Order: sequence, then structure tokens, then C-alpha cells
Amino acid sequence: DAGVTQSPTHLIKTRGQQVTLRCSPKSGHDTVSWYQQALGQGPQFIFQYYEEEERQRGNFPDRFSGHQFPNYSSELNVNALLLGDSALYLCASSFGQGSYEQYFGPGTRLTVT
Amino acid sequence: GESVGLHLPTLSVQEGDNSIINCAYSNSASDYFIWYKQESGKGPQFIIDIRSNMDKRQGQRVTVLLNKTVKHLSLQIAATQPGDSAVYFCAEKRRSQGNLIFGKGTKLSVKP
Repeated sequence: DAGVTQSPTHLIKTRGQQVTLRCSPKSGHDTVSWYQQALGQGPQFIFQYYEEEERQRGNFPDRFSGHQFPNYSSELNVNALLLGDSALYLCASSFGQGSYEQYFGPGTRLTVT
Repeated sequence: GESVGLHLPTLSVQEGDNSIINCAYSNSASDYFIWYKQESGKGPQFIIDIRSNMDKRQGQRVTVLLNKTVKHLSLQIAATQPGDSAVYFCAEKRRSQGNLIFGKGTKLSVKP
């Protein structure tokens, strides 16, 4: 049983560019949440997708957007990248929008230069 | 503001000793608490959870204690092993929300 997978593993971008990160949830899960983890910090919630819609959003600007596909996989898009967007981006999946159990993927390390 | 935080940023223990990692939370509306372990280069891994209607929950070598009076959460690891070396995060969840709220983390180092 595959767990949560994310791609790519690492990514280097330049300020002002756009980036797309991808996540495939654990088998049987239908909800995907995205988190940003700065170095030495705990993960910070970006948003959650359920039934292909953004259901909840954290305190992030609208440069951060996402999408969920019919197969429950999800993308995180960040436009107009800033140096401060450099972080580990984590995807977590769960079954049901309000589920207590969230399983995390290995993350995508984004570096903005 | 409302947050989940940790008392100690680093903890160094001898192999075989017991470890205790502490966490404070500020929102009494939280009804679910989780401890995650994060090794270098990996995503957070679920360790153990506890609901707000419980005071204690035990797993394999781990115990979580919840003191709602002082809004305190702790993770006890028995017979700490080198493989336990990692950063540990506590997180809270509120029934009405889908997201987890994480603290900053405690780095546990196990000396052989």
C-alpha cells in the first residue's frame, strides 16, 4: 500500500518564477492538505482540498493556489516566488474533510534564489 | 495568539534512559492532540494521539499525557534508542477545522 507521494523531491527556482508541486494521497484517502515548513519551524497550514474544492485556508496570500483532481491527487501552485517561499512543502492526506488522522508525504524542498 | 508550543527546543539523553518532551497549548477548544516524529529529510511521522476526553494513552514504548487544567501535553519515550533521534512536534486539531496546528518542535539527541 503506497503512502503519500510527492514530486519533485527538490526544486530550485528564481525569484518571480512560478512553481507547481504535486501530491498523490494514500490509497483510500480523499482529502489533501498542504503545509509549508520553514527551516527549524513546525509545519504551517496552507489549505485543504476535499471533493475538488478548497475547503479551508490558512494565512497565506493568494499567490498560493491549488487544485484537486478527480483521482484525489493535488497540486500546489505558487506564483511570483519570493526568497521567503523557500521551505519544505508537505502534503498530508486523510479520509474525510474533518478526519483527525493525517498522513504526511516526504515533502518537496523548494529553494528560491 | 493561540498556538501550540514547546518548553524545550533541544533534549539530549543517554541511550536506555527515558525521555520526556513537553508541549503547551493555549486553546481549550482543541479536542485532539498528536505527536509527530520528523527525521532529517522526511515528512512528519505519526507517533501517538490523544483526545481531549482522555488523560493518558500508551503505545509501544511511548506514552502521551494530557493535563487540561494547565493545558499541557507530554510525550514519554521509554528506553530511548538511537533511532529515536529526531525532531518531535506536538500538534492540535479543533473539531470544527480540518487543519493541524503545530508547535516549533523539540530536537531529541540520543547519546550511545
